[in-house]
Amino acid sequence: EAAVTQSPRNKVAVTGGKVTLSCNQTNNHNNMYWYRQDTGHGLRLIHYSYGAGSTEKGDIPDGYKASRPSQENFSLILELATPSQTSVYFCASGDAGGSQNTLYFGAGTRLSVL
Amino acid sequence: GDSVTQTEGQVALSEEDFLTIHCNYSASGYPALFWYVQYPGEGPQFLFRASRDKEKGSSRGFEATYDKGTTSFHLRKASVQESDSAVYYCALARGSALGRLHFGAGTQLIVIP
Repeated sequence: EAAVTQSPRNKVAVTGGKVTLSCNQTNNHNNMYWYRQDTGHGLRLIHYSYGAGSTEKGDIPDGYKASRPSQENFSLILELATPSQTSVYFCASGDAGGSQNTLYFGAGTRLSVL
Repeated sequence: GDSVTQTEGQVALSEEDFLTIHCNYSASGYPALFWYVQYPGEGPQFLFRASRDKEKGSSRGFEATYDKGTTSFHLRKASVQESDSAVYYCALARGSALGRLHFGAGTQLIVIP
């Protein structure tokens, strides 16, 4: 079964601090995504990747960086965290295209920036 | 830009009631349309998709029909159960960027036993 694992599951950070959210997938999918979930907005795409070494900006990339060092791992980095980045973050993997396009999501990371 | 509108923020029903959750989209051409479901403490799960006008997607008793004329993809289920309580997201994606989903705000379904 598809597996996407996020760590940590909960994080409290201070304003101005650096935060790294990690994601690991065992699906051997080429594509990985970072979304944030906020009430009234649903899920919004921050960054995504088509494979190791690649990162692309999504719809709301400001204040975030991403890193894809391997097929399995995709990180989201907040260099200078702000309270507006308090949210629930979801990582997903998938192979876009074809008739079975499906994203597999992790369980989420709840981030509070104080 | 592309967008998805879900008009109901929350829907409360009794078991065996008929469910409709409305989804309208704004996008040119023929985007792929999706429904995802999210249970408490979990990430969203793919429910089904449709990619052509009049195509019906379905899974687990839920269904929706792609309607280009009304730009809609409303979710329906004939008889809901308490276990259907969750948040439902409508989403769209385009062609080669099928992984770049644009989600609606979500609709929380509460089913009262």
